[in-house]
Amino acid sequence: QVQLQESGPGLVKPSQTLSLTCTVSGGSISTGNYYWVWIRQPAGKGLEWIGRFHTSGSTNYNPSLKSRVAISVDTSKNQFSLELSSVTAADTAVYYCARERQWLAYWYFDLWGRGTLVTVSS
Amino acid sequence: DILMTQSPSSLSASVGDRVTVTCRASQSINNYLNWYQQKPGKAPKVLIYAVSTLQSGVPSRFSGSGSETDFTLTISSLQPEDSATYYCQQSYTTPHTFGQGTKLEIK
Repeated sequence: QVQLQESGPGLVKPSQTLSLTCTVSGGSISTGNYYWVWIRQPAGKGLEWIGRFHTSGSTNYNPSLKSRVAISVDTSKNQFSLELSSVTAADTAVYYCARERQWLAYWYFDLWGRGTLVTVSS
Repeated sequence: DILMTQSPSSLSASVGDRVTVTCRASQSINNYLNWYQQKPGKAPKVLIYAVSTLQSGVPSRFSGSGSETDFTLTISSLQPEDSATYYCQQSYTTPHTFGQGTKLEIK
């Protein structure tokens, strides 16, 4: 059974870079037709899609964050990572990693990590 | 970006009630519409994908319908464990966007 687990610092200073890793267990990150995704949720608010990486190597980012975000994959460790630069308090949120799978032509998030809270504060 | 608007933002209903949540997209998204349930402190969980396909293990009291821009999540007979926030999400184009959520409380 595939599981996802986020890890990384819970506190980041303003203007610094937020770095998180999602470890995939129970299956290979480099096989199958999946997107590996980052989503965030500020406290008490809704969900924001950050970006995704496909097993083919393609990436897509939210234009609202595109200049600050990068998603990368380490297949040797079965992990994918998020880097968000020049953070401000507005980037404080619970960050989720997720898997997006396809059914016919349709895509949906079928697996999620538990989420990790990142606070931006000096 | 495609704007997803849910209504109502919150509702309160009794066990056994039929509950409906609506989601409207700012443009046609064909059938690229998914519904998620999120309980406090937990990650969202997919209930329905592609408008009306029930995720494995999800109770049959949940159903979805709609097309183009207007979609509905229905709970046919509300149970205490259905207390949660529900989100619609479009996967028609990136950035994938979510509705603002509907918080469902059990009376």
